[in-house]
Amino acid sequence: EAGVTQSPTHLIKTRGQQATLRCSPISGHTSVYWYQQALGLGLQFLLWYDEGEERNRGNFPPRFSGRQFPNYSSELNVNALELEDSALYLCASTPVVGAFFGQGTRLTVV
Amino acid sequence: GQQLNQSPQSMFIQEGEDVSMNCTSSSIFNTWLWYKQDPGEGPVLLIALYKAGELTSNGRLTAQFGITRKDSFLNISASIPSDVGIYFCAGQGGSEKLVFGKGTKLTVNP
Repeated sequence: EAGVTQSPTHLIKTRGQQATLRCSPISGHTSVYWYQQALGLGLQFLLWYDEGEERNRGNFPPRFSGRQFPNYSSELNVNALELEDSALYLCASTPVVGAFFGQGTRLTVV
Repeated sequence: GQQLNQSPQSMFIQEGEDVSMNCTSSSIFNTWLWYKQDPGEGPVLLIALYKAGELTSNGRLTAQFGITRKDSFLNISASIPSDVGIYFCAGQGGSEKLVFGKGTKLTVNP
């Protein structure tokens, strides 16, 4: 059974551009979390989608947005990129309890 | 919102030593989870705890779900170099959002 897959693995953008990150959950999982991890530090909660709806949002500006598609895959969009947005972005899918993480997308803003 | 206090923030130990880390919460959780993250990877689930008082082992790892349902600890016995990484606790209350601690960075000196 395939795990959580994220694409791309690495992404380099310039300041002001937009970035789109994608996540495919484990088959059968309907819930997806997004986290930002800067400099190997803690996991900052970004967004939680369940059954196609946004359930909760972390303390991030509106230029961080996302959606969940009918097949439960998800997309994270970051507009007007800033240097501080450089981080590892992790997606996790959950079968209700617990979560299983993807490998992450390393976003570098230059 | 719910917050988890994870301690210590970092640990530097010698190979062969035992390790202990813990998480406390102001809220009650129904599930406690412990994850390990290797550099550049997504966190991997180590142990899941579902009942207050539950003590579960996974090889050299042992974790317990506190009786009050507001805390959990993780012990690693006879540490080895590959135990290096960041350990995260996470709590979940029913169908509520999964909440993560800030992580414990473990360094093992050979």
